[in-house]
Amino acid sequence: AQTVTQSQPEMSVQEAETVTLSCTYDTSESDYYLFWYKQPPSRQMILVIRQEAYKQQNATENRFSVNFQKAAKSFSLKISDSQLGDAAMYFCAYRNRYTGANSKLTFGKGITLSVRP
Amino acid sequence: DGGITQSPKYLFRKEGQNVTLSCEQNLNHDAMYWYRQDPGQGLRLIYYSQIVNDFQKGDIAEGYSVSREKKESFPLTVTSAQKNPTAFYLCASSMDTGTDTQYFGPGTRLTVL
Repeated sequence: AQTVTQSQPEMSVQEAETVTLSCTYDTSESDYYLFWYKQPPSRQMILVIRQEAYKQQNATENRFSVNFQKAAKSFSLKISDSQLGDAAMYFCAYRNRYTGANSKLTFGKGITLSVRP
Repeated sequence: DGGITQSPKYLFRKEGQNVTLSCEQNLNHDAMYWYRQDPGQGLRLIYYSQIVNDFQKGDIAEGYSVSREKKESFPLTVTSAQKNPTAFYLCASSMDTGTDTQYFGPGTRLTVL
């Protein structure tokens, strides 16, 4: 079974600074997807970024980028130029590239990010 | 607007009652999912459906039931057999279960009184 570990329960960053959120995962599969979701106080899960395991290039979405280390099974999220609106809970998630039950998302326990003005 | 809607936003249930949570999507997605979120936990899969009239149990299906009579709708019933139903429930959908990203609704907070 796949597992996702987010070992830091909380982090804090100064507005306009850069912060990196860590995530590790365990799988025996070679083809899969990794995601970072943001859950603000409204509690709706919002997709931040997606990485396909077969792509070596790290995904980037505006101020958000990942450092995907497949051999180390590490998938960290870097937020540049942090904004007050970035304050939220962030979840790392894994999914196999298959249909059916194996396509479910496996989530880490999340990390609460606070942004200091 | 295209998206996923869940209702109600807050739901209160007395012990022994069944309640149904609504999930509707107009994204023309084939696959739909129900997740449960508890404090300090990630999301756990309750049920999922790949196509109409078909659904499969997830990791924590006991005490829950679903139906998928229409592509747009995937209601979740929390039965009296669910021993600890107080939680936040999230519905999601994706184009398919194989390759596509899952998008989430705003959630329903269920509290058992």
